[in-house]
Amino acid sequence: KAGVTQTPRYLIKTRGQQVTLSCSPISGHRSVSWYQQTPGQGLQFLFEYFSETQRNKGNFPGRFSGRQFSNSRSEMNVSTLELGDSALYLCASSLDGTQYTGELFFGEGSRLTVL
Amino acid sequence: AQTVTQSQPEMSVQEAETVTLSCTYDTSESDYYLFWYKQPPSRQMILVIRQEAYKQQNATENRFSVNFQKAAKSFSLKISDSQLGDAAMYFCAYRSLLLGGSQGNLIFGKGTKLSVKP
Repeated sequence: KAGVTQTPRYLIKTRGQQVTLSCSPISGHRSVSWYQQTPGQGLQFLFEYFSETQRNKGNFPGRFSGRQFSNSRSEMNVSTLELGDSALYLCASSLDGTQYTGELFFGEGSRLTVL
Repeated sequence: AQTVTQSQPEMSVQEAETVTLSCTYDTSESDYYLFWYKQPPSRQMILVIRQEAYKQQNATENRFSVNFQKAAKSFSLKISDSQLGDAAMYFCAYRSLLLGGSQGNLIFGKGTKLSVKP
């Protein structure tokens, strides 16, 4: 079974631009979460989607948004990029419902550099 | 709000020896999951071991075991017979047993960087 796939793996943007990151979860997983990882703040939760609905949201400004499609694939968007948005963005998928185990399966991440 | 604290930013162990990574957490919930995740350099994060709070027995996965002290809110990871491939960042994480709402996400500690000396 294929793992969580994130694209692109690396990207460089300039301040003020916007960026869209994509995540394809493990087949059968309906929950997709996004995390931001930086050396200073560590791993911080951005949001979680389940069945195309945002179920949970972290404490990030409105510039950070996401969505989930009917095939469970998810995208996150960051508008008006700031230098502080430079980070590794991790996507994770999980089982849900009666198969809930609490475990998240992570992708390799998208490393965003903002210049 | 729940918090997870890893007090050891870096640890070092000799190959074939045993090392213990510490983790404490704070929560008012009685049911939850605790995890140790491993993130090797430039590679994806993977689950090392999981503990359900309602289980008194400590989880074990091959060379990895935990010491779960619910009353003390402590969840340490012991790695036996350390191998070079164990070198990585290790993150302790908490997840509520509830689905959805503000408690469905993983709350991570800051991580412990483990080095393994040959």
